[in-house]
Amino acid sequence: SQQGEEDPQALSIQEGENATMNCSYKTSINNLQWYRQNSGRGLVHLILIRSNEREKHSGRLRVTLDTSKKSSSLLITASRAADTASYFCGFRIQGAQKLVFGQGTRLTINP
Amino acid sequence: DVKVTQSSRYLVKRTGEKVFLECVQDMDHENMFWYRQDPGLGLRLIYFSYDVKMKEKGDIPEGYSVSREKKERFSLILESASTNQTSMYLCASSLGTSWEGTEAFFGQGTRLTVV
Repeated sequence: SQQGEEDPQALSIQEGENATMNCSYKTSINNLQWYRQNSGRGLVHLILIRSNEREKHSGRLRVTLDTSKKSSSLLITASRAADTASYFCGFRIQGAQKLVFGQGTRLTINP
Repeated sequence: DVKVTQSSRYLVKRTGEKVFLECVQDMDHENMFWYRQDPGLGLRLIYFSYDVKMKEKGDIPEGYSVSREKKERFSLILESASTNQTSMYLCASSLGTSWEGTEAFFGQGTRLTVV
């Protein structure tokens, strides 16, 4: 399977703390994307990082990509209760149109 | 805003029935995808389509087929539903080959129960 792997599977932190989630993959990719899913809903795109980029920021989100290690991380700074959700990494496999996802990290922010 | 609409939010079907899950997008996207989501397994790609009448198998195509007769519509077909196909099904669409805008837009999901 080309599915990615995310770590940790679940993360529980206090409001105001930073949350870090990691994603690893096995193939060469065109880009990597992070998505958020609120319970029982569809996924919403957060941020995209291309294979020739190493770091990207969007508001309280910081994404890094290390293609030599085939891994990415998502950092959410100054977490809020509203950040409670599942987070998924998705990646475009190089040379294909496929968009494949990891297994997700369930993030809980405690007030 | 891009809208991806799945025809049903909840569906209950009997074992052996033929089931159609419909997905429509309104942004002229080339790519469309069907995933199933199960606890602990994340999103697994069933099929995707990169153009009208073009399709490719994902990681778990067994027991499923798809149809894309028009660009905006991508249908997932369960030929003979089984209880192990009880799951959340998610449809998504995206632009095709460009570097920009390859984010995917998702529908709200269809929770299918096969009894």
